[in-house]
Amino acid sequence: EIVLTQSPGTLSLSPGERATLSCRASQSVSSSYLAWYQQKPGQAPRLLIYGASTRATGIPDRFSGSGSGTDFTLTISRLEPEDFAVYYCQQYGTSPRTFGQGTNVEIK
Amino acid sequence: QVQLVQSGAEVKKPGASVKVSCKASGYTFTGYYMHWVRQAPGQGLEWMGWINPNSGDTHYAQKFQGRVTMTRDTSISTAYMELSRLRSDDTAVYYCAREDICSSTSCYLDYWGQGTLVTVSS
Repeated sequence: EIVLTQSPGTLSLSPGERATLSCRASQSVSSSYLAWYQQKPGQAPRLLIYGASTRATGIPDRFSGSGSGTDFTLTISRLEPEDFAVYYCQQYGTSPRTFGQGTNVEIK
Repeated sequence: QVQLVQSGAEVKKPGASVKVSCKASGYTFTGYYMHWVRQAPGQGLEWMGWINPNSGDTHYAQKFQGRVTMTRDTSISTAYMELSRLRSDDTAVYYCAREDICSSTSCYLDYWGQGTLVTVSS
């Protein structure tokens, strides 16, 4: 199975700062079938990015995704108060459809 | 609008089974695969498997093979996930999530249910 390793585990930033989250795969993710989800406490995950770089419907353009192969990045250009949450990457090209362990973006 | 509404919280004893439902609305239920994902308290997301509501075909993560059964009732647009021989480490929030339709064979999860807490305790 493809193991996804996210780093850092926790990112402490202030509103207005730039956040860069990494997701590294143990083997190549086919056709960039890599998604990013945001989860806030007590809520279900929400799709942010799919196909490594395509924003889902209604997602602000401060969120961007990049990468291919085994290295992927989620960037939040300027953090808004509502962006402090946990972010997960998931590969959906190969079964089992594994998730990373998450990155917690917290207020500094 | 697409909605996935799950059944309420459950408390089960070790060794018992639990069946969680996920009622879909706002789209053609049989047109989209349904996945199940769980999340233990304070932990990350764990993919469990999927069901094709049109055919009833299923695919389970190896970890859950033999213990999980995913079914559906197309007459009421509802998917079910039953987990048997429950253990304390099955305590988690269980989510259903719809897989969007992509041009390829697999796609991302675009809509999620609100989650169902299953607590396994003696």
